[in-house]
Amino acid sequence: DAKTTQPNSMESNEEEPVHLPCNHSTISGTDYIHWYRQLPSQGPEYVIHGLTSNVNNRMASLAIAEDRKSSTLILHRATLRDAAVYYCIPVGNTGKLIFGQGTTLQVKP
Amino acid sequence: DVKVTQSSRYLVKRTGEKVFLECVQDMDHENMFWYRQDPGLGLRLIYFSYDVKMKEKGDIPEGYSVSREKKERFSLILESASTNQTSMYLCASNLQGALGGYTFGSGTRLTVV
Repeated sequence: DAKTTQPNSMESNEEEPVHLPCNHSTISGTDYIHWYRQLPSQGPEYVIHGLTSNVNNRMASLAIAEDRKSSTLILHRATLRDAAVYYCIPVGNTGKLIFGQGTTLQVKP
Repeated sequence: DVKVTQSSRYLVKRTGEKVFLECVQDMDHENMFWYRQDPGLGLRLIYFSYDVKMKEKGDIPEGYSVSREKKERFSLILESASTNQTSMYLCASNLQGALGGYTFGSGTRLTVV
């Protein structure tokens, strides 16, 4: 399983963009990059995933480096509801989600 | 939207009891997973299943077993509950492995006394 490195915590102001980085230098060529978030007292929630190209959905954008050794989750306008722990997870053929420690995002009003 | 339903939000059991944690998903997903989450240790994979009657050990299977008799239901079994199994237990399901998102239940907070 590929290892990931994420900052322990980040802060953002409400209504500003947030860029959450993830380093996954040992990722294999067929691993997809998944992002999940976990709000307090809830189960993790799927955010976005991609393989090589940048991806957009209603929740966020995912920018994947050309060498695939890193990626960045972009929240375009942070809200208080976006305060959560964000996990970046490479997922391979086994389909197992192996969680790291994630990044705790604080959003200030 | 896919729903993953865990039968109990809170559960209190005695040491030595046999405990069943139930998880049901409503979207015909092939893959189902059980995790536990503890402060400082994060989410850890206990068992998973790719299909009915199939099971695979995750990273921490000791003290647990699973049952998948029907596609929509994946049960986690604690044969003889111990206090170190006090934890938040989370179930997840997924259709396409790495190609698709995973949906999690709300969790069961199990306390073993």
